[in-house]
Amino acid sequence: QLQLQESGPGLVKPSETLSLTCTVSGGSISSSSYYWGWIRQPPGKGLEWIGSFYYSGSTYYNPSLKSRVTISVDTSQNQFSLKLSSVTAADTAVYYCARHHGGAARYFDYWGQGTLVTVSS
Amino acid sequence: QTVVTQEPSFSVSPGGTVTLTCGLSSGSVSTSYYPSWYQQTPGQAPRTLIFSTNTRFSGVPDRFSGSILGNKAALTITGAQADDESDYYCVLYMGSGIWVFGGGTKLTVL
Repeated sequence: QLQLQESGPGLVKPSETLSLTCTVSGGSISSSSYYWGWIRQPPGKGLEWIGSFYYSGSTYYNPSLKSRVTISVDTSQNQFSLKLSSVTAADTAVYYCARHHGGAARYFDYWGQGTLVTVSS
Repeated sequence: QTVVTQEPSFSVSPGGTVTLTCGLSSGSVSTSYYPSWYQQTPGQAPRTLIFSTNTRFSGVPDRFSGSILGNKAALTITGAQADDESDYYCVLYMGSGIWVFGGGTKLTVL
């Protein structure tokens, strides 16, 4: 059974960089036809796709966040990471990592439990 | 930027049928957008319900169904139950590796 687990600081200061890691178990992040992505949800609000990387090595970002986001991969650790720079209070959210399909069926199937990150001084 | 639209809220009586929709601020939703649907209860990660417009994810009861209705994707719940009271999100694949979530619909069963 595939499992994803987010980890990282729960509190980040304004203007600093938010860094989170997603550890994948029960499957390889190098598996073909899958994307591995980040989604966030501000308190009381809806879900927002942040960005993803494809098994081939390509990365894709939400245009509204692209200038501040970097997603990287460590295949040796079966992990992928999110960095979001110059954070403000508006970046306070529960951050989820998830696997999603490419190919003929494009959808999210496995999700981490989520981790709350608060931006505050 | 393209906005994916959903009804902010909806209510249904127990045992009733409800159809939630997922549209575009500009244009029509088709199967080419690979619409998918997710259910989320407070404090929990989303749960996958429907993908590729109308395919039920593993373990999802057949009272959940997906379709294209007119120019929107639709999620229909037949025989609503109390534990269907949740937030429902659609996601559209816009191409070029870009996904967009709808704003979500809060479904009340009463």
